[in-house]
Amino acid sequence: QVHLVESGGGVVQPGGSLRLSCAASGFTFSSYGMHWVRQAPGKGLEWVTFIRYDGNNIYQADSVKGRFTISRDNSKNTLYLQMNSLTAEDTAVYYCAKDLTGYGNFDYWGQGTLVTVSS
Amino acid sequence: EIVLTQSPGTLSLSPGERATLSCRASQSVSSSYLAWYQQKPGQAPRLLIYGASSRATGIPDRFSGSGSGTDFTLTISRLEPEDFAVYYCQQYAGSTYSFGQGTKLEIK
Repeated sequence: QVHLVESGGGVVQPGGSLRLSCAASGFTFSSYGMHWVRQAPGKGLEWVTFIRYDGNNIYQADSVKGRFTISRDNSKNTLYLQMNSLTAEDTAVYYCAKDLTGYGNFDYWGQGTLVTVSS
Repeated sequence: EIVLTQSPGTLSLSPGERATLSCRASQSVSSSYLAWYQQKPGQAPRLLIYGASSRATGIPDRFSGSGSGTDFTLTISRLEPEDFAVYYCQQYAGSTYSFGQGTKLEIK
């Protein structure tokens, strides 16, 4: 069965950096696009960024352009999110999610990792 | 950017009743790219409906989706106790994705 496990969250100061990881198993990771979606405390869901199965297409929300970078290592079945220039508005639970090919939806989600930006 | 507006914000119903949740888009959305998710407290979202009307794997048939263009609906035919949660619609258009603000389905 599909399993996605995020890690790397924690407390970081404003202006700092953090790298999240998402370990995937139970499916052919190298064949599927992947996303990061976040949820601020008590708020709704916000799509962050997408990477195509081969890493050649990347899409980002305007709110993170120039600050966040998505990448993947298909040899390690792992997705990454490098987050720079963090602000309090980036405080959220970050979920990795598998793309449902052809539909632009998210069919499997990890349990999430909490990122808190605070001094 | 396509904005999705869900209504009502909160829906209070009893087990056994029928729930109708609405999702309205600021511009036309391809039905292929409209989905619904359920989220319970402390859990990740779960895909319920994709392509506007197709149930995801393992989703009971009391959940159904319909609609086209700018108006989409999630219907739960007979509410079970485990259905009380927050529901989100989501769309994909080109290189952007967006969610509605959510509808909280609470026990009356």
